[in-house]
Amino acid sequence: GAVVSQHPSWVICKSGTSVKIECRSLDFQATTMFWYRQFPKQSLMLMATSNEGSKATYEQGVEKDKFLINHASLTLSTLTVTSAHPEDSSFYICSATFPNTQYFGPGTRLTVL
Amino acid sequence: SQQGEEDPQALSIQEGENATMNCSYKTSINNLQWYRQNSGRGLVHLILIRSNEREKHSGRLRVTLDTSKKSSSLLITASRAADTASYFCATVRGSNYKLTFGKGTLLTVNP
Repeated sequence: GAVVSQHPSWVICKSGTSVKIECRSLDFQATTMFWYRQFPKQSLMLMATSNEGSKATYEQGVEKDKFLINHASLTLSTLTVTSAHPEDSSFYICSATFPNTQYFGPGTRLTVL
Repeated sequence: SQQGEEDPQALSIQEGENATMNCSYKTSINNLQWYRQNSGRGLVHLILIRSNEREKHSGRLRVTLDTSKKSSSLLITASRAADTASYFCATVRGSNYKLTFGKGTLLTVNP
């Protein structure tokens, strides 16, 4: 149990385009999901906290207009990287809390050309 | 800023040996957790230790927590090649489940 999936697992896009990443909790409902970014050989940095039915809470330094987060249901949160640039290339990982443990998705590798 | 700092940054050992990784943090915490990440993959939760606990075991894993020194250690006994991965500590400060990750230790277990 407590499985979190992400889609897509990898994506390559052109600079200036937008990319949507989905995070789903498959066998449980999660009122809170988190989005992290991880650059090569570095740790995970929390980007935002996504709460179902309300606006996401962004960490300091994360542009909310660039990284749009929608948590429309108890099992789905989406992260949209708008007008992506090469410096946005990274590994994006989501997690969902149930009941007080975070379960992580497998991650999405984004490469912006 | 990073809450957790692990050392060593990289550790290479032979199969069968024990591996010890340390983590230090700066502020008071609710609990501390250890995760494993295989290259290019998601994170796997290993163990959680609460601030009022001093030691916890799970299979070949042993975690200690010293809140007076703001440090924790993860010991993997009788290591296997399959234990090769990056290991991260992460702290939780409040009740909102937000995790603050350390920089991680890259463990390589040579067969």
